[in-house]
Amino acid sequence: DAKTTQPNSMESNEEEPVHLPCNHSTISGTDYIHWYRQLPSQGPEYVIHGLTSNVNNRMASLAIAEDRKSSTLILHRATLRDAAVYYCILVTGANNLFFGTGTRLTVIP
Amino acid sequence: DTEVTQTPKHLVMGMTNKKSLKCEQHMGHRAMYWYKQKAKKPPELMFVYSYEKLSINESVPSRFSPECPNSSLLNLHLHALQPEDSALYLCASSHRVAASYEQYFGPGTRLTVT
Repeated sequence: DAKTTQPNSMESNEEEPVHLPCNHSTISGTDYIHWYRQLPSQGPEYVIHGLTSNVNNRMASLAIAEDRKSSTLILHRATLRDAAVYYCILVTGANNLFFGTGTRLTVIP
Repeated sequence: DTEVTQTPKHLVMGMTNKKSLKCEQHMGHRAMYWYKQKAKKPPELMFVYSYEKLSINESVPSRFSPECPNSSLLNLHLHALQPEDSALYLCASSHRVAASYEQYFGPGTRLTVT
């Protein structure tokens, strides 16, 4: 299984941007980069995914390095509701999600 | 509607009981998944169904028996479980089994085995 490395935890002030990094140096050419988050006592929630180009949606932006060995999830204005564990996952053709330990984001009011 | 529903929300069962977990989606998705999540750990993939056929079994013990009776429903039958099987059981679905599709998760069933 392709591996990702994320910081265990990060903090952000409310209403400020948050940049969550992910390293995936062993990524293969067909691996998609998926981000999910899990709020306390809830199931995981899809955030965003991409292959090579940067992606934007209503929740976040995904910036993918040119060599694809790292990516950054960008929350443009953190709210208290964004406090969660964020998982960066490399997904192969079979769409099997193998979750790592993720980054626990704390949002400070 | 991007909702995956799971019933029951909570389940307590003894080691000799037989019970079932149910998962339902009406998004027309043809891929459905079961995950297990122990406390303070990330989810772990158990089973993958594609077009109602089991395509992946991640070496799960036979006391867990999945079933996909139609494209909207996914069941997980439980029998002779152990206390260490206590966990949050999550169901998910996606359009197809392909890396370009996102997965939608249900809220999970919290299972306690006594």
